[in-house]
Amino acid sequence: GENVEQHPSTLSVQEGDSAVIKCTYSDSASNYFPWYKQELGKGPQLIIDIRSNVGEKKDQRIAVTLNKTAKHFSLHITETQPEDSAVYFCAARGSTLGRLYFGRGTQLTVWP
Amino acid sequence: ETGVTQSPTHLIKTRGQQVTLRCSSQSGHNTVSWYQQALGQGPQFIFQYYREEENGRGNFPPRFSGLQFPNYSSELNVNALELDDSALYLCASSLGGGDQPQHFGDGTRLSIL
Repeated sequence: GENVEQHPSTLSVQEGDSAVIKCTYSDSASNYFPWYKQELGKGPQLIIDIRSNVGEKKDQRIAVTLNKTAKHFSLHITETQPEDSAVYFCAARGSTLGRLYFGRGTQLTVWP
Repeated sequence: ETGVTQSPTHLIKTRGQQVTLRCSSQSGHNTVSWYQQALGQGPQFIFQYYREEENGRGNFPPRFSGLQFPNYSSELNVNALELDDSALYLCASSLGGGDQPQHFGDGTRLSIL
């Protein structure tokens, strides 16, 4: 099955700085890569996703890049704010339709 | 538009008992997936239901079972509870058998004593 690795496990940045979280996947058949933000006591919230026919996608301060050859994808958050503090998960949908494989998460802390 | 709702929010059980967790999918969504999230880990896929049929299953034993109803709501049943079953159980809904984005509820926190 698919294996998703996520780095770093923790990330601290100053407000206004950028944050980058990186993930790798193992199944070359994976074709969909969502990112989720999970706040304490809440379920994961979909913040951005990318399909394998696209190399980059941007939504305001958030962007995701995908390198299919290297099998890695990254989340970029610019102009970080304290409310961006949360655990972020990357995921990949493998060859089994509908099943998401998640990374272990990155605890992002944005200091004012 | 109503999001994914799960009940109950918290539950405490003892080893060997049985539990039923419930999920109402987002309006218009016909596919429900269940995940288990242990503390400090990413969610792990349990199974998915589409048109009231199981549509894929992860590496969980048969004592984990589910149902989907005609209104697309779903139940997760766990028999013979073990200490390791303590986790956050998440339900996600989507359209069309899983090819579309999955939207999660806030989960049920299950504690086994």
